Amino acid sequence: GAGVSQSPSNKVTEKGKDVELRCDPISGHTALYWYRQSLGQGLEFLIYFQGNSAPDKSGLPSDRFSAERTGGSVSTLTIQRTQQEDSAVYLCASSARGNTEAFFGQGTRLTVV
Amino acid sequence: DQQVKQNSPSLSVQEGRISILNCDYTNSMFDYFLWYKKYPAEGPTFLISISSIKDKNEDGRFTVFLNKSAKHLSLHIVPSQPGDSAVYFCAARADSSYKLIFGSGTRLLVRP
Repeated sequence: GAGVSQSPSNKVTEKGKDVELRCDPISGHTALYWYRQSLGQGLEFLIYFQGNSAPDKSGLPSDRFSAERTGGSVSTLTIQRTQQEDSAVYLCASSARGNTEAFFGQGTRLTVV
Repeated sequence: DQQVKQNSPSLSVQEGRISILNCDYTNSMFDYFLWYKKYPAEGPTFLISISSIKDKNEDGRFTVFLNKSAKHLSLHIVPSQPGDSAVYFCAARADSSYKLIFGSGTRLLVRP
């Protein structure tokens, strides 16, 4: 597609349930990022994928969070046993190799009730 | 440990005047800086960037200034327009990493 696409745009889940958030990056972009923005906060780095290299997972807040990127394209962020503090907007971005300008999707607003 | 800081949570300016948004950083390894604009319910959109080998980059109404010795950058918007009202984030990256570190954002309101 022309831009980064994320789905769903909104997700309401019960505390303790697992959720999967999907990101389709811009075609040909080898770098993919996940960030989250909690209410009134800045963008918090979660994880970074670059080509076939091992991902940088240094921003994942707990072992309940995991992400994968299949075939160097689509990425899924999984949150297990969701907690209320996981409520946030989860943003995905991609960039071309060697180009540090990252393009963001519209985000998935996750609400844990 | 906030490596990128935007100390002004909000800024209000009159239409036609200059808007100046500031950003400070602590990591001397940062060598590339970006500004993003974010409207409600949308993802951030890229505005302008600057490499550490430069001290100024201009694109239309937007100019970014970098002062490496002070570890400070600023975004100037002139003339400001009501459509510029949004949250502005600065971000930085170190050459050794592709990870973009973002500030907490500044909400700009341009009054008609």
